[in-house]
Amino acid sequence: EAGVTQSPTHLIKTRGQQATLRCSPISGHTSVYWYQQALGLGLQFLLWYDEGEERNRGNFPPRFSGRQFPNYSSELNVNALELEDSALYLCASSLGRARSPLHFGNGTRLTVT
Amino acid sequence: AQTVTQSQPEMSVQEAETVTLSCTYDTSENNYYLFWYKQPPSRQMILVIRQEAYKQQNATENRFSVNFQKAAKSFSLKISDSQLGDTAMYFCAFMSLYGNNRLAFGKGNQVVVIP
Repeated sequence: EAGVTQSPTHLIKTRGQQATLRCSPISGHTSVYWYQQALGLGLQFLLWYDEGEERNRGNFPPRFSGRQFPNYSSELNVNALELEDSALYLCASSLGRARSPLHFGNGTRLTVT
Repeated sequence: AQTVTQSQPEMSVQEAETVTLSCTYDTSENNYYLFWYKQPPSRQMILVIRQEAYKQQNATENRFSVNFQKAAKSFSLKISDSQLGDTAMYFCAFMSLYGNNRLAFGKGNQVVVIP
């Protein structure tokens, strides 16, 4: 069974540009979660999608947005990139039921210069 | 909001020895889930073990076991017979039973297994 896959592995952007990160969940999982792992800040919850709807959002500005497609894959978009957006972005998926374990991908390393 | 605290930034352990990682959390809820995840250099977060707060019995997964002290809000991880592949960052995480499926993570402990 394929795990959670994320693309690209690395992404380099300049300040002010937009970044798009992609995530494919484990087959059968309907929930997708996005986390930001920045140096010194640990893992911070960004977004939770389930069945195509945004279910919950962390304490991030509106320039962080995303969507979930009918096949349950997801995109995270970051507009007007700032230097402090440089981080590892981790996607996770789970069965749609509450409290199902989260399974993570290998992440996308975003570097903003 | 729940907070999770891990206070031992880096620990070294000899191969085959035992290491214990500590974690405390703050919540007003009575039922919840606690997790330990490991993140090796490959960056993938891997679920190590899960504990349901309403279960008194401590969870065990092969060489990994927890000491769950609900009253003290403590959730430590013991790695027995450490192996080189155990070298990783270990994160303690909390999940509420009510609603948002959000995991609250601690800052992590770096464990280095020395041959």
